[in-house]
Amino acid sequence: GAVVSQHPSWVICKSGTSVKIECRSLDFQATTMFWYRQFPKQSLMLMATSNEGSKATYEQGVEKDKFLINHASLTLSTLTVTSAHPEDSSFYICSAETGGPQHFGDGTRLSIL
Amino acid sequence: GNSVTQMEGPVTLSEEAFLTINCTYTATGYPSLFWYVQYPGEGLQLLLKATKADDKGSNKGFEATYRKETTSFHLEKGSVQVSDSAVYFCALKRGNTPLVFGKGTRLSVIA
Repeated sequence: GAVVSQHPSWVICKSGTSVKIECRSLDFQATTMFWYRQFPKQSLMLMATSNEGSKATYEQGVEKDKFLINHASLTLSTLTVTSAHPEDSSFYICSAETGGPQHFGDGTRLSIL
Repeated sequence: GNSVTQMEGPVTLSEEAFLTINCTYTATGYPSLFWYVQYPGEGLQLLLKATKADDKGSNKGFEATYRKETTSFHLEKGSVQVSDSAVYFCALKRGNTPLVFGKGTRLSVIA
């Protein structure tokens, strides 16, 4: 069964709205969670790495004020896309690990109108 | 830096054909190597992995061997099925750093 649950799976909202995506590790405590973004027919681009209880480390070019990441517990990380615009439309995938392989959520398709 | 290069797609095969998707890597030290599969509209699933040279990862009829001398981790399957149609990503991981992915190869299998 799934070891990482991501919610919601699909979001459609108006421009200017803030959207929160949750990522939960279901049967293990994730010391580290990763957030990726995937454009159509392209590979996964790492956005940020977060460790429980500390600030996320963002990759170059990713706006930390636009993509807020909170990793409040060992089983939950959230990504909030603030004041979303059409160019933020994408497929967002979270991943969690605890020293072993990275496990991935099923992704969230975000469409901003 | 660390990087992964995999063959460009799309790859279109008939059912029961032999599949090879090439993957080579550049990395310092000895990374772990992975193949992930992404079915339409879904996230990534780990298909197989290898953690050291000459290891062979296998799952669901797919296999890949970690070749240090050629820095390769090619994915193979002897007889593909329509249900294998997906995007396949080769990836590497060094220590606690995040996975580094190739660009993905789209496979379409036709009956």
